Amino acid sequence: DGGITQSPKYLFRKEGQNVTLSCEQNLNHDAMYWYRQDPGQGLRLIYYSQIVNDFQKGDIAEGYSVSREKKESFPLTVTSAQKNPTAFYLCASSISGGTTGELFFGEGSRLTVL
Amino acid sequence: KNEVEQSPQNLTAQEGEFITINCSYSVGISALHWLQQHPGGGIVSLFMLSSGKKKHGRLIATINIQEKHSSLHITASHPRDSAVYICAVSPLTGGGNKLTFGTGTQLKVEL
Repeated sequence: DGGITQSPKYLFRKEGQNVTLSCEQNLNHDAMYWYRQDPGQGLRLIYYSQIVNDFQKGDIAEGYSVSREKKESFPLTVTSAQKNPTAFYLCASSISGGTTGELFFGEGSRLTVL
Repeated sequence: KNEVEQSPQNLTAQEGEFITINCSYSVGISALHWLQQHPGGGIVSLFMLSSGKKKHGRLIATINIQEKHSSLHITASHPRDSAVYICAVSPLTGGGNKLTFGTGTQLKVEL
C-alpha cells in the first residue's frame, strides 16, 4: 500500500550529537515536509521540498538540515545546534507543493534528548 | 493571537452524542483542512475544503469563507472517534502547502 514511512519511531540522543530521522514515501508525490509538534502548540514547519534537489526553510529551520536527493526520500538531521530538540517530528507529502493539496502524514518520530 | 483558533480545547462526550468542533481563522485562505491525530501520533487528513460542506460517513465539515469559520461535526459519536482533531489553513500568501495549524481539540468519547 502507498504511504509514508518514518523511522525510527522513538529516538534518544545525548546532548551534542546529531541525529537523522528518515522519511520515505511511495506515493510519487513531488512535495515533502517536515513538521515539529510540541505540547500545546500547533505543528510548525521546519523544512519543505517541492521538487527533487530543492528545498526551502520553514518557520523554524535553525538547527536542522535536510536533503532531497531522491523523490521518495526526505531525511531530516537534527544537529547539535538545535537548542531544544526534544519533540515529536512529523513528515508529510502532497502531490504538488505549488498548489493546495491534501497532505499525507507519516506516523511520526519522537526524539528525546537525554 | 494565533491565526487559527479552535474550540473547545478539550471535549468529553457520551457515545451517540452529536459533536461539534469549531475553527476560526484570521487570514485569507485558499483551503481549510481538518486532520485527525491518533493517540499514537499519526495524522490522517479528514477533509480539505474551500467552500460549502463535505460529508464522509459520520463526519461533516462546513466552511463559511465570509465569516472565516469552519465546523467539524461528528454524528453518532463512538469511542473510536477519540483523538485530537486539528484545523489547518492554507493562507493565500506564502504559497504552496505552507499550512498554519491550530492547536487541536482533544476529544474523548465515553461508553
